[in-house]
Amino acid sequence: DQQVKQNSPSLSVQEGRISILNCDYTNSMFDYFLWYKKYPAEGPTFLISISSIKDKNEDGRFTVFLNKSAKHLSLHIVPSQPGDSAVYFCAASGGYGGATNKLIFGTGTLLAVQP
Amino acid sequence: EPEVTQTPSHQVTQMGQEVILRCVPISNHLYFYWYRQILGQKVEFLVSFYNNEISEKSEIFDDQFSVERPDGSNFTLKIRSTKLEDSAMYFCASLRGRETDTQYFGPGTRLTVL
Repeated sequence: DQQVKQNSPSLSVQEGRISILNCDYTNSMFDYFLWYKKYPAEGPTFLISISSIKDKNEDGRFTVFLNKSAKHLSLHIVPSQPGDSAVYFCAASGGYGGATNKLIFGTGTLLAVQP
Repeated sequence: EPEVTQTPSHQVTQMGQEVILRCVPISNHLYFYWYRQILGQKVEFLVSFYNNEISEKSEIFDDQFSVERPDGSNFTLKIRSTKLEDSAMYFCASLRGRETDTQYFGPGTRLTVL
C-alpha cells in the first residue's frame, strides 16, 4: 500500500542552500498534508501543513507547495542549516472526518546538511 | 509548550507476555492515536480514539490489542500476548480537533519482544 511515496531516500545539501524534499500521493481523497521531522529514537515533530484548498503555505524557512493535479507536494527549506539534518516524513489524511483521520506516512527522506 | 509524553521509553518483554504502553496526551486534545514503526519501515497507523471509543483501527490492530482512556488523562495501548513481530517503536499522538488539525506525537516507546 503505497498511497504516499517519497522516492528519494536521502538528500545532501550544503549549508545555506535550498533543500527540496518531494512527496507523491495516489489517493485523491487526501485533503490535508503534513511534514514531520524525525531524529533517531524520537517521535515525529510537526513542521508544517497544508490543506487541499491551498497551493502554498509558508512558515519561516519552511514552505510547502501542493500540486493537486499532479498529486505532488514538496517541502522547501531555505536556507538549510546543519540542525535541519534529520529524516523528513510526508503524511496525508482525508475523507470523512478530514484532518482527524489517520495519517498515512511516506517512507521518509534522510536530509544531511553539510557545514 | 504542552507535549505528549509516553512511558516507558523502552520495554523489554518475553513473547506471550502482556504489555501496557502509556501515554499522556496534550490536556485539551480530543482525538488520540497509536502508531508504530518497525525498524527500517514506515510509520503505520494502529488505532484512533475519540469520545471514549475507537474511531478507526487498522488490520494490525487485532484482538490482541486494546486501548483505554482510564482516567481522563492517560491513554493506554495493551498488547495481551506479545509476538516477536510486535517489536517496534510505538508512538502516541493527539489532536485537539475543532479549528486545529495537527497530530502531535510523543517520543515513543521502544518495545522489544524476546
